[in-house]
Amino acid sequence: AQKVTQAQTEISVVEKEDVTLDCVYETRDTTYYLFWYKQPPSGELVFLIRRNSFDEQNEISGRYSWNFQKSTSSFNFTITASQVVDSAVYFCALSSNQAGTALIFGKGTTLSVSS
Amino acid sequence: ETGVTQSPTHLIKTRGQQVTLRCSSQSGHNTVSWYQQALGQGPQFIFQYYREEENGRGNFPPRFSGLQFPNYSSELNVNALELDDSALYLCASSLAWRDGDNEQFFGPGTRLTVL
Repeated sequence: AQKVTQAQTEISVVEKEDVTLDCVYETRDTTYYLFWYKQPPSGELVFLIRRNSFDEQNEISGRYSWNFQKSTSSFNFTITASQVVDSAVYFCALSSNQAGTALIFGKGTTLSVSS
Repeated sequence: ETGVTQSPTHLIKTRGQQVTLRCSSQSGHNTVSWYQQALGQGPQFIFQYYREEENGRGNFPPRFSGLQFPNYSSELNVNALELDDSALYLCASSLAWRDGDNEQFFGPGTRLTVL
């Protein structure tokens, strides 16, 4: 079965704090892709990153970084020095041959950053 | 480059009615996917169209149907609306799916309320 679990429903931090959003996935495929999307209050899903199953290198993009660990089936997302504009719902998603053409999303983590 | 657009933005219908939602894909993309996002949940895959043919379907009843046109724009039709159909409907476009590498770009969504 294909499944994405985001155990943290809501996280609240104060500006400049670092925050990590957890994502655990399940798939039997050896080739798969993992994604993170941001959904601000406007509703549109904004693509943040795609990672394939053969590339376990961590990635850093500005204040954002991603830690992919196949051994624990996790793809965690860290925001360093959070800002109020980071407040949004963040979704982790999985795509694979077994999932067919679908992106399988987790339930999302709502991040609130206060000033 | 034009992004994914959806119309209308908001829609209110009553139970039993029919509704049509529209989506224009991003320039150069030939695949359109539709997702339903209930309040507080992650998006759920409805179906995908590739070159005017349905190319995968999620766990939604037949009263959810769709079309894709030669210009790759798409429609989602829902018949016999139920209260539980109230949700944000997201359209996403992408290039041809292969091996699950399914980077999808989302539109702003149509918020449907069924009374």
